[in-house]
Amino acid sequence: DTGVSQDPRHKITKRGQNVTFRCDPISEHNRLYWYRQTLGQGPEFLTYFQNEAQLEKSRLLSDRFSAERPKGSFSTLEIQRTEQGDSAMYLCASSRTTGSSYEQYFGPGTRLTVT
Amino acid sequence: AQSVTQLDSHVSVSEGTPVLLRCNYSSSYSPSLFWYVQHPNKGLQLLLKYTSAATLVKGINGFEAEFKKSETSFHLTKPSAHMSDAAEYFCVVNLGTGNQFYFGTGTSLTVIP
Repeated sequence: DTGVSQDPRHKITKRGQNVTFRCDPISEHNRLYWYRQTLGQGPEFLTYFQNEAQLEKSRLLSDRFSAERPKGSFSTLEIQRTEQGDSAMYLCASSRTTGSSYEQYFGPGTRLTVT
Repeated sequence: AQSVTQLDSHVSVSEGTPVLLRCNYSSSYSPSLFWYVQHPNKGLQLLLKYTSAATLVKGINGFEAEFKKSETSFHLTKPSAHMSDAAEYFCVVNLGTGNQFYFGTGTSLTVIP
């Protein structure tokens, strides 16, 4: 069990550019979540996958955001035409499916800065 | 409506004194509740969870929390603070109606030597 990993850890981009982040969950976990955390706030839910199916998306996830988990293992989160308001820490978490008591294990996050 | 409210944004305690971090939730169902800790430049770590078993839940590093349905609270406590406890703490609720987890806004704990 190597934990949840995220790549890159930091990304600086110019406004209008596209960025893509990757998350590798704990191998036996079939659920994967993406969150966004801004300074001084708690993480906000963006979307969640069970295996390869994207089952829920927050209203925070605008059309410029897309997430995939093509083989039910790693996931990518892409932001198109980045805006300064997209600057935040993007967190990935994974969990097992054990009723409603599953806890999430978080990765270290990808810090995005849009200049 | 806020699903989870952390009543204090900052708490300061002296080393060796008790810690109390307060959390209230709103849910018409049977929620699952969690406390996570986030140290600077580190990932979120699960401290403990409540999932409708024992109402007093023990976690790592000497932390515990009590689920009080009548008060809709899930306060985090520790008898004696250590310098290494200084961090941001998040109360998290799954309302039991779906798969979304809602985070509180966090409580920053400072431990004074």
